[in-house]
Formats: sequence, structure tokens, C-alpha cells
Amino acid sequence: NAGVTQTPKFQVLKTGQSMTLQCAQDMNHNSMYWYRQDPGMGLRLIYYSASEGTTDKGEVPNGYNVSRLNKREFSLRLESAAPSQTSVYFCASTKGRAVNYGYTFGSGTRLTVV
Amino acid sequence: SQQGEEDPQALSIQEGENATMNCSYKTSINNLQWYRQNSGRGLVHLILIRSNEREKHSGRLRVTLDTSKKSSSLLITASRAADTASYFCATDAGGQAGTALIFGKGTTLSVSS
Repeated sequence: NAGVTQTPKFQVLKTGQSMTLQCAQDMNHNSMYWYRQDPGMGLRLIYYSASEGTTDKGEVPNGYNVSRLNKREFSLRLESAAPSQTSVYFCASTKGRAVNYGYTFGSGTRLTVV
Repeated sequence: SQQGEEDPQALSIQEGENATMNCSYKTSINNLQWYRQNSGRGLVHLILIRSNEREKHSGRLRVTLDTSKKSSSLLITASRAADTASYFCATDAGGQAGTALIFGKGTTLSVSS
């Protein structure tokens, strides 16, 4: 099925460990996004990539890095995980400007940092 | 920074009743969108309303937009148990956030049979 695929679905990390969250879309979308969702906080933007080769910071970029590997893939890296990064992470993509087309979301990665 | 804010935070109704949830935002927008999130799942895009539109329908969904009051409402008619989910509004903050959407904290709808 066409859509946004996130891996892994679940992950437990120890404080200080690193990991990369993977996201791939097969809809030929230009823009891709990483959000985190915490209880009572809604979704907050971490980073986004308006087009292949570009990335920009969102509202909460500290502690994260991203790579737009190609048009299909947009990865999120935690270099040194902290308990405050325990969250559900969602990747999304859109055809053009999000304001005109809306997002397609992945099913999320539930990350726990102990 | 929060652009949209949904009201109420939680809503419980019986099957067959209508559900209305509201979204208020702070700055001018190009468009406003509504999303649904079932428990443990990703968000699903429901409907987009442009700033020059006042009302839009999609099946049992009716969305209104009042740019003078900076508010929108989502009406779900004849609710079903399957409508149980969280609903989020999202806006672009008039372009200040680039191409990314800013989401509210959501309204949790519970429909009981």
C-alpha cells in the first residue's frame, strides 16, 4: 500500500545511546516532516524538509539531527538520548506546500528512554 | 508555539448524536485543516478549508471557518462508535512557519453505543 513507512515501531533506549528513526514515502511527495507527540502537548514540529536537499528546524529541534537522504527518505537521529525525548514520533509527507495539500502520516515510532 | 487550540478538550456523546468541536487560532492563515487520530495510530487528514471559504462538507463532516473571529468548527453528524478518536486542527500561521503545519492539542471524542 502506498504511504509513509516508519521504522522501528517501538524502541527502548538507555540514556546516552544513539539511534536513527527511519521514514520513507512512496508517493513522490516533495516535503517531509518529523513531529513528536506528547500527552497534553499535541504535535510539535522537530524538523522538516521542504524539498530534497533542504532541511529546516522546527519548534523543538534541540537534541535531534535529520538527513534527507533522497526524495523518498527522511531520517531523524538522536545522538545522545535523554529521558525528555521519550515520546511518539511521527513522520509525515505532502505533495507540495502542506497548507495546500495536507499531510500523509506514518503510523509512528514509540520511543522510551530510560 | 501553539497556533490552533481546540475546544472542548474532551467530548462524550451517544451514537446518533452530533459532535461539534471548535478551533481558535491566533494569526492570519492561508488554510485550516482537520485531522483524526485513532488510539495508537497516525493522524489522518479529514478536510481542508481555504481562507476564502466559509463552509465545506465531506460526507458526515461539516467544517466552517470564520476568519474574522479566527475560529473554525468541525461538526460530525449522526456519530458512530467508529468516530471515537482525537481530532486536531492545523494551520500554517500565515506562512511564518514555512511550509509546515502547526497543530492544536486536540479534542478527544468518545462515542458510546
